[in-house]
Formats: sequence, C-alpha cells, structure tokens
Amino acid sequence: VQLQQSGAGLLRPSETLSLNCEVGGESFSTYFWTWIRQPPGKGLEWLGEIDHNGVTNYNPALKSRVTLSVDTSKKQFSLKLTSVTAADAAVYFCARVRSYVFDVWGQGTMLTVSS
Amino acid sequence: DVQMTQSPPSLSASVGDSVTITCRASQNINYYLSWYQQKPGKAPKLLISYASTLQSGVPSRFSGSGAGTEFTLTISSLQPEDFATYYCLQSYIIPPYTFGQGTNLEI
Repeated sequence: VQLQQSGAGLLRPSETLSLNCEVGGESFSTYFWTWIRQPPGKGLEWLGEIDHNGVTNYNPALKSRVTLSVDTSKKQFSLKLTSVTAADAAVYFCARVRSYVFDVWGQGTMLTVSS
Repeated sequence: DVQMTQSPPSLSASVGDSVTITCRASQNINYYLSWYQQKPGKAPKLLISYASTLQSGVPSRFSGSGAGTEFTLTISSLQPEDFATYYCLQSYIIPPYTFGQGTNLEI
C-alpha cells in the first residue's frame, strides 16, 4: 500500500489548509485513515481519523477547526484545517490505522503560513 | 487525555552500544503502545506494536517491553542507521492518540 499526499503548502493567515491523501494498492474500506502533523523541530500531534463510511474521531484540541472527509470512489481521504496561523506551520502526514498502530505513512506535506 | 512522558529527550551513544528509551503513560494503557523511528526529512516508521511485537523487517536488535503505564524500547548493538528520533504512541484511550515527546538518539 502507498499513500500519496497532495495539496497546497503555502497559505496566508486565516486561510484554509486542504490536503488529500490517495491510497494505492490496498483495500480502502478495511481501515481507518488518519492525519498527524509535526511542527519544525518538534514532536508529532494526532489530528483525527476517518473510515470509509465517514466515521470520524478528532483531536479535541483542534476539533473546531479540523474536518476530515472521504471519497471512496477515488480511494482518497482529505483534511481541511480552517483559519490557519503561524502555529499551524508543520509537516502534515497521512497514515493508515491498522490494529491500533499507524503502519503506513504518506510522504508528508510542509505547510508554511506567511502573509 | 493520556499524557505520554518519554525519556530521555536526547541520548548520545556509540556504535555497538545498547540503549533504552522509556515511555510512561499517565493512565493504564494496557499494552496499546507502539514505537516509531523517524529520520530527518522522513515520515516515521513503525518498529513495534502492542508494546513488544516487532514489525516485519525490523532488525531483532530492537525490542520492546512493558504494560500498563511503563514501557521501554531497547536497541542492542547500535548500528549507524539506528541514529534517529524515536517516538512512542498510545492507542488505548482515544481520542486523542498521544505521542511521547521523542528521544533524539545521537552518535
């Protein structure tokens, strides 16, 4: 299985981050799919997860600004993060959730927030 | 939220050494603890699941142990490719999944 991320990496403050993650070579319906971010030089933060039916779990710390969605026909899941600020600058990773671990990861997308 | 306290934050060692990294959970997380290795500019790589189950393809010099609130990752006979940052992750009481702060293993 491969995860291929896409989406814009340069935003102005208050704009909305939109990222996609396309799942290749694997059954999309079997797993949950998740997003994690990592600010430069810092640790990992879990953002949320979604399954093929659109069932979601979100990090309460970001729940008001994060929306996950899924397009099963494209085997793709997506992240939207509204009202970005400099604090949201990070590398954003998508990953597969299998048996309580994140076993396959995307390549990462760097978000820069600058006016 | 379950807080994961990982120690030490950084660790210096030499090729051939054995090192141990610890993660402590603020609540009982049974054995739902996994370990990841991350190299600069790369995504994390899963090493160990369920506290002690080594993933396919991961060298046997990596081992994990623990249950409940205290967990360890041990790397024996360090190789040059092992110098990286290591993270633990709890997946028992979710949401949210929570990571440890990371341990930077340096030469």
